[in-house]
Amino acid sequence: EPEVTQTPSHQVTQMGQEVILRCVPISNHLYFYWYRQILGQKVEFLVSFYNNEISEKSEIFDDQFSVERPDGSNFTLKIRSTKLEDSAMYFCASKGTAYGYTFGSGTRLTVV
Amino acid sequence: AQSVTQPDIHITVSEGASLELRCNYSYGATPYLFWYVQSPGQGLQLLLKYFSGDTLVQGIKGFEAEFKRSQSSFNLRKPSVHWSDAAEYFCAVGSYNTDKLIFGTGTRLQVFP
Repeated sequence: EPEVTQTPSHQVTQMGQEVILRCVPISNHLYFYWYRQILGQKVEFLVSFYNNEISEKSEIFDDQFSVERPDGSNFTLKIRSTKLEDSAMYFCASKGTAYGYTFGSGTRLTVV
Repeated sequence: AQSVTQPDIHITVSEGASLELRCNYSYGATPYLFWYVQSPGQGLQLLLKYFSGDTLVQGIKGFEAEFKRSQSSFNLRKPSVHWSDAAEYFCAVGSYNTDKLIFGTGTRLQVFP
């Protein structure tokens, strides 16, 4: 069964540093997403991406965040100048037709 | 406002017992409803989804859910729980006119032998 692959599985970074979280969506999917889950809390939508542009974003997704599909296969989330409160599990998802979301296994980001 | 409520934070059942996890939603448009399961350190695995049609939906691992529009509910059920079902379960809602899913806070299921 096709999978969404996320790397790394765990990333530790110092406060103020930039991080890039990487995702390889399912190859024939056209819609891409990032969600996050702060420890013990619910999964929250960050951003959706279609046709090489952001189609929807939440209030969480401020200027600190950016997304990119640099090479037609990868989908990245960049967090500039990380803060302690950015520590969370970040999930990538992709969607083909209809409402078939597939989520990756997540990247746990720890900001120290 | 759009929201999903999972009233039970933590449920404990004995192996072999039946299970029902509750989910209520508040959503202006016609909802699409989902149940996901998350094992520790793992991603979100789709158990089942409802878009339209038959209100009783069958999913993987022996789970089913019933959409009740009058009660704004989409409860997840399993007739006989296995120890491997211990995990966190999330209900989520979306719609045709939005690109995002709204998740509930989750229910942690513990299974005793």
